[in-house]
Amino acid sequence: SYELTQPPSVSVSPGQTARITCSGDALPKQYAYWYQQKPGQVPVVVIIKDSERPSGIPERFSGSSSGTTVTLTISGVQAEDEADYYCQSADSSGSYGLFGGGTKLTVL
Amino acid sequence: QVQLQESGPGLVKPSQTLSLTCTVSGGSISSGSYYWSWIRQPAGKGLEYIGRISTTGSTNYNPSLKSRLTISLDTSKNQFSLRLSSVTAADTGVYYCARGNRQGDGFSLGGFDYWGQGTLVTVSS
Repeated sequence: SYELTQPPSVSVSPGQTARITCSGDALPKQYAYWYQQKPGQVPVVVIIKDSERPSGIPERFSGSSSGTTVTLTISGVQAEDEADYYCQSADSSGSYGLFGGGTKLTVL
Repeated sequence: QVQLQESGPGLVKPSQTLSLTCTVSGGSISSGSYYWSWIRQPAGKGLEYIGRISTTGSTNYNPSLKSRLTISLDTSKNQFSLRLSSVTAADTGVYYCARGNRQGDGFSLGGFDYWGQGTLVTVSS
């Protein structure tokens, strides 16, 4: 079955750059979306269509795509960015959605 | 501003059917080209796509749940619903309803822009 693969955890110090990757065979064909989820809260989309930032999302959040891997980059990480991050896309046919396993970002 | 709200029993017995409803406000569920979707999250674990229904009533389900799952639309009440049969403890978790967008091809599922607050469903005798 098709899967999206993320690293379980990423740790950075405040002010540094965090990069979270997501790999999947259908990513060259389907857009990826990134969600931030803090404990006890509803996921919030931070990147849409690989690299677009929705209104209200800080500029330090950016996304990129290369082949079968998409990357969420958080520049100048702040303590408030500590959260779980999930990538989401669709299967190669576009019919159904799926999420990566999630990456816990720890701000040291 | 679109809002979604899940409702349904918080406790379901094993082997029974889990039924949830999502009420949409701030917009008509039958307008626009959206995919009205269900997503769940077991405690301490990641997000899992359950399935979706379009405004025309066409459905698509997670292959791993397909044999037990039904998603339906009630445009008169501006609601959509989920029924998951033969539940086990593995079906315990927070269930979210969400609005999915379509990608540029007009068909492929895009991202989820509006989410309900989520409802905890526990499967236990």
